[in-house]
Amino acid sequence: AQSVTQPDIHITVSEGASLELRCNYSYGATPYLFWYVQSPGQGLQLLLKYFSGDTLVQGIKGFEAEFKRSQSSFNLRKPSVHWSDAAEYFCAVGARDSSYKLIFGSGTRLLVRP
Amino acid sequence: EPEVTQTPSHQVTQMGQEVILRCVPISNHLYFYWYRQILGQKVEFLVSFYNNEISEKSEIFDDQFSVERPDGSNFTLKIRSTKLEDSAMYFCASTPGLTYNEQFFGPGTRLTVL
Repeated sequence: AQSVTQPDIHITVSEGASLELRCNYSYGATPYLFWYVQSPGQGLQLLLKYFSGDTLVQGIKGFEAEFKRSQSSFNLRKPSVHWSDAAEYFCAVGARDSSYKLIFGSGTRLLVRP
Repeated sequence: EPEVTQTPSHQVTQMGQEVILRCVPISNHLYFYWYRQILGQKVEFLVSFYNNEISEKSEIFDDQFSVERPDGSNFTLKIRSTKLEDSAMYFCASTPGLTYNEQFFGPGTRLTVL
């Protein structure tokens, strides 16, 4: 069955520090992979996506993610975190079936220390 | 920039009552989705809708739930007889078409069942 695991429930980093959020997926074929961000009281905003090709993808707000097939991972990174990055981050895999539904991980809440 | 809108932002209802959550997807999009997020939990797929019919539904989407696109612009989720466990944030999403693209999410409707 398709699933997404985000092993870190909370992560706290200092402003200016680097960030890596982990995501592992289980899917039978090459997946479509996404990272979404949710600020408090807001909807889900797409940060970046991977469909095929270059395994390092760039997104908005200075985020990037690397697809590693051998590790079934799609970790999100940012070299220097800003206070405004504090939010909940969701990794998702897109099912390649009739509905193209998204299957989400449990999310990682990012706290940023001043 | 076009966006998905949802109304109301917050709905409070008594157990057993019917609720209708409304969404206006992006105008040229063809696939529509409802997801829900129980407080503190992951975002879960409920149903996908294409060409005026359900293309896939999850186990959560039982006979109490229905979806409709009544007028070519609105996309509604009806819960016939609400239960306490239906309390959640409900997200509508849409995507452009037959080739897979990112899903654009609305801001959500917070449903509270008392």
